[in-house]
Amino acid sequence: ETGVTQSPTHLIKTRGQQVTLRCSSQSGHNTVSWYQQALGQGPQFIFQYYREEENGRGNFPPRFSGLQFPNYSSELNVNALELDDSALYLCASSFSLAPGETQYFGPGTRLLVL
Amino acid sequence: AQSVTQLDSQVPVFEEAPVELRCNYSSSVSVYLFWYVQYPNQGLQLLLKYLSGSTLVKGINGFEAEFNKSQTSFHLRKPSVHISDTAEYFCAVSEGQGGSEKLVFGKGTKLTVNP
Repeated sequence: ETGVTQSPTHLIKTRGQQVTLRCSSQSGHNTVSWYQQALGQGPQFIFQYYREEENGRGNFPPRFSGLQFPNYSSELNVNALELDDSALYLCASSFSLAPGETQYFGPGTRLLVL
Repeated sequence: AQSVTQLDSQVPVFEEAPVELRCNYSSSVSVYLFWYVQYPNQGLQLLLKYLSGSTLVKGINGFEAEFNKSQTSFHLRKPSVHISDTAEYFCAVSEGQGGSEKLVFGKGTKLTVNP
């Protein structure tokens, strides 16, 4: 069974640019969530996708957007990058939306904005 | 909205000593609690979770946690740590919001096991 994978592992961008991060869910999982982990902090919820529809969003501006594809893989897009967007971006997949369902995390993409 | 407080940002211990990492959450009618571990330059790995039932939850790598509703705590313990347990540990609570289930994390506790 393949776990959650993310690409790329590292990325360097400059302020104002746009970035796309990718996530492949664990087999059989239809729900994917994205989190931002700033240095020295716990992960913060960005949004969640369930069966290709956004299903909840945290306190992030609209320049953070996402997609989920029919095979349940996902993308996180960030427009107009700011220095504070530098962080580890984590993708997590789960089998369902059931309360308490375990979320399985990928290794993350480390984004540096200069 | 839920919140999670991890009372210690850093915990240094010697190898084979016991350890307790503390976690408190804000009160709610029902709550699902998780402990995740993050090794350097890696993602998060689930150690254990509490959904209901027995308040003592056993997880992987010899860790266990006790759910205490009256004290709104979910402390993580291990009776004897190894060098390989050096990592950052995150306590999280699951929060339902308009049909979604998100995890709300604490700021983490960095456990350093010294020889």
